[in-house]
Amino acid sequence: DAGITQSPRHKVTETGTPVTLRCHQTENHRYMYWYRQDPGHGLRLIHYSYGVKDTDKGEVSDGYSVSRSKTEDFLLTLESATSSQTSVYFCAISREMGTDTQYFGPGTRLTVL
Amino acid sequence: ILNVEQSPQSLHVQEGDSTNFTCSFPSSNFYALHWYRWETAKSPEALFVMTLNGDEKKKGRISATLNTKEGYSYLYIKGSQPEDSATYLCASLIYNQGGKLIFGQGTELSVKP
Repeated sequence: DAGITQSPRHKVTETGTPVTLRCHQTENHRYMYWYRQDPGHGLRLIHYSYGVKDTDKGEVSDGYSVSRSKTEDFLLTLESATSSQTSVYFCAISREMGTDTQYFGPGTRLTVL
Repeated sequence: ILNVEQSPQSLHVQEGDSTNFTCSFPSSNFYALHWYRWETAKSPEALFVMTLNGDEKKKGRISATLNTKEGYSYLYIKGSQPEDSATYLCASLIYNQGGKLIFGQGTELSVKP
């Protein structure tokens, strides 16, 4: 299994509070991704990173920001959580973008009350 | 955002049945097609990455074909087993989408003993 961890694994928070999710990899892969998974929508890309300090928006980036200060860590921040951001969040990594397999972390279940 | 469609949404088969499902994607600017297997409460796991028209890949009892000209891929499972029960996701990489994967909603397969 690819060395990817996510923390926390579960979080319950209240509307309006800031939340940061962490993805950590030990594979030294260049690309890192944040997806959210919702019933009826499959996996949707939030943001991705193609190197340290290099990030770009995905399909559903509104309300989210990311940072990558080290190769191994990719942080996803909800500046002011809303109930619509209740979801399961998956981090993924790959060596190359697009033609290379993506390896997924275990997921973080976030509930915003 | 261009759509990736999977059919059927769900499928219930008996142990020993062979089954197949479809992934449809935009054929223009096609770059790659991914298949993932996703068991409940786990993370998606890569099955295949396919790039060439006419490509066929096989992994044990699971195989996949690719038609880039008409924009579809088939996933076949021969002699389904209960442990094949999972959601099967496909994702397409369209070249002018910045290298980002667009996932379908998945086909949920249930294999009864």
